[in-house]
Amino acid sequence: QVQLVESGGGLVKPGGSLRLSCAASGFTFTDYFMSWIRQAPGKGLEWISYISGSGSTVFYADSVKGRFTVSRDNAKKSQYLQMSSLRAEDTAVYFCARGSSLADYWGQGTQVTVSS
Amino acid sequence: QSVLTQPPSVSAAPGQKVTISCSGSNSNIGSNFVSWYQQLPGTAPKLLIYENNKRPSLIPDRFSGSKSGTSATLGITGLQTGDEADYYCGTWDDSLRPGHVVFGGGTKLTVL
Repeated sequence: QVQLVESGGGLVKPGGSLRLSCAASGFTFTDYFMSWIRQAPGKGLEWISYISGSGSTVFYADSVKGRFTVSRDNAKKSQYLQMSSLRAEDTAVYFCARGSSLADYWGQGTQVTVSS
Repeated sequence: QSVLTQPPSVSAAPGQKVTISCSGSNSNIGSNFVSWYQQLPGTAPKLLIYENNKRPSLIPDRFSGSKSGTSATLGITGLQTGDEADYYCGTWDDSLRPGHVVFGGGTKLTVL
């Protein structure tokens, strides 16, 4: 069955960096776009990035463009989100999801807290 | 401020029917498929409806979706207390190049 497992969240100071990972299993990883979607405390969903199966196409929401970098390692069936210049407003649960326009499977999420 | 507009909350009694609306524009709902997601308290979202009105396997037919013009609707019949959750609509938006995904602000369903 399809499984997505995020890791790498934690507490980081403003201006700091963090790298999230998402390990996938149960499907042909290279066949799918992958996305990162976040949810701030008590707020709705915000899609922030996607990456194509080959990794050649990436896109970012304006809120993270220039600060976050998405990548994937198809041999390891994993995608990553390198986050830098973190701000308090980046505090959220970050979900890894399969797909781009349609997120048909989601991971359980990893908490990122940006605070001094 | 979300690109797609949903009512913040809806409520109905067990066994009743409820609908949740999602309003957008020509660049998103008007020209793309709509998906619906259910987020039970403390859990990750789950796909409920895709391509406007299709249900993934294991999603009961109590859940239905429709789209007309720049609006979409999620319907839930035979409400159960276990349906209490936040519901989100999502779709592609072509207003930027490349396109990107937009979500509604979410609707909290209370089963009274």
